[in-house]
Amino acid sequence: GENVEQHPSTLSVQEGDSAVIKCTYSDSASNYFPWYKQELGKGPQLIIDIRSNVGEKKDQRIAVTLNKTAKHFSLHITETQPEDSAVYFCAAIESNTGKLIFGQGTTLQVKP
Amino acid sequence: GAVVSQHPSWVICKSGTSVKIECRSLDFQATTMFWYRQFPKQSLMLMATSNEGSKATYEQGVEKDKFLINHASLTLSTLTVTSAHPEDSSFYICSARGRRGTFMNTEAFFGQGTRLTVV
Repeated sequence: GENVEQHPSTLSVQEGDSAVIKCTYSDSASNYFPWYKQELGKGPQLIIDIRSNVGEKKDQRIAVTLNKTAKHFSLHITETQPEDSAVYFCAAIESNTGKLIFGQGTTLQVKP
Repeated sequence: GAVVSQHPSWVICKSGTSVKIECRSLDFQATTMFWYRQFPKQSLMLMATSNEGSKATYEQGVEKDKFLINHASLTLSTLTVTSAHPEDSSFYICSARGRRGTFMNTEAFFGQGTRLTVV
């Protein structure tokens, strides 16, 4: 089965700085890697995703990179703002079941 | 993104009673629905997966007689916590994956979550 490890568990940055969250996965056949943002008391919100046929995807201040050989992918947030403060989860799709396997989460705090 | 609506957002019930949580896909057909449980400051724990018209598949350790899942239509799934006890208090979240027209989505979209408190 799939196993997803996420680091760091907490991240504190100054407003305007960049934030990077990293994840590794174990299932070499995984082909879909979404990132979710979860605010307190709410469900996760899909913010960006990447498929295994590309190495990088960008959407305004958010980008995701994927290294299939090393089996890791990262979320990059540039020009962070206080409203980016939340818990971020990476996930990978388990190839034989289609289930989404989540990382442990990263609590991002952006200080104004 | 697609819209998944989950109700209620919070509920308080007495021990021994049952609670039903609804999850609806508003603008797409949810061929697969997932139900998660989340404890404070922890990740999402998958409880069960249901495909429309089929019985749910439960993860190891999840009591199927306690957590009844129904996915009778392409837009609605329900989770019923039967004979609830305080230890069932948690944040329950549904997720849906499906299709718009003939396009099958890989993306999974989440509901707003339901905070269940059993007293």
